[in-house]
Amino acid sequence: QSVLTQPPSVSGAPGQRVTISCTGSSSSIGAGYDVHWYKQLPGTAPKLLIYDDNNRPSGVPDRFSGSKSGTSASLAITGLQAADEADYYCQSYDRSPSGSVVFGGGTKLTVL
Amino acid sequence: EVQLVQSGAEILPPGESLKISCKASGYIFTNYWIAWVRQKPGKGLEWVGVIYPGDSETKYSPSFQGQVTVSADNSISTAYLQWSALKASDTAIYYCARPRGGSSWSGIDYWGQGTLVTVSS
Repeated sequence: QSVLTQPPSVSGAPGQRVTISCTGSSSSIGAGYDVHWYKQLPGTAPKLLIYDDNNRPSGVPDRFSGSKSGTSASLAITGLQAADEADYYCQSYDRSPSGSVVFGGGTKLTVL
Repeated sequence: EVQLVQSGAEILPPGESLKISCKASGYIFTNYWIAWVRQKPGKGLEWVGVIYPGDSETKYSPSFQGQVTVSADNSISTAYLQWSALKASDTAIYYCARPRGGSSWSGIDYWGQGTLVTVSS
């Protein structure tokens, strides 16, 4: 069971907006630790989409955005495209009990 | 260009020892953390541990503490992940990865191609 909770799956039609939530606790996201988001296509390494809550690396389209509030964070994808179909993971840090980087369980995005 | 190139796939029986590698290039190896991430077949990402080659500081996820060892050889810009006695439950893809910032929990902007470790008799 992951320390960060994500919905197992989300879906949307092309052109629509979808959001993926990532729920932590007072010792992780709620403690102010940064949240990062990754996209993973089958058989490939993850790719960084969002870092430090809401920053996009060079080359990531502005259709992808991140936000954080309290003990949760969200990834929003607008103008959904077939190429967005993938697994998405959030990552943060949990200082309890002994401090470690933690990942969410992952969310499968299906483009209908 | 930053690159992380990992060693090839391994198939070993339970109880064997193993050391997989991750050779870094395109940046100053001692200036960035190197992390290891596990992904079991069809499952999610799990943080294994991390090393700062500059001073050899290591940190492990509680789930992996005592189960694996992370190390680095600065002379050849290579990080390692090793097991002293493999178990079937160690079967997974292992990625090495470089957090972008100065902390071990920074977002990871570079990943190796992954090393598939299969433990089976």
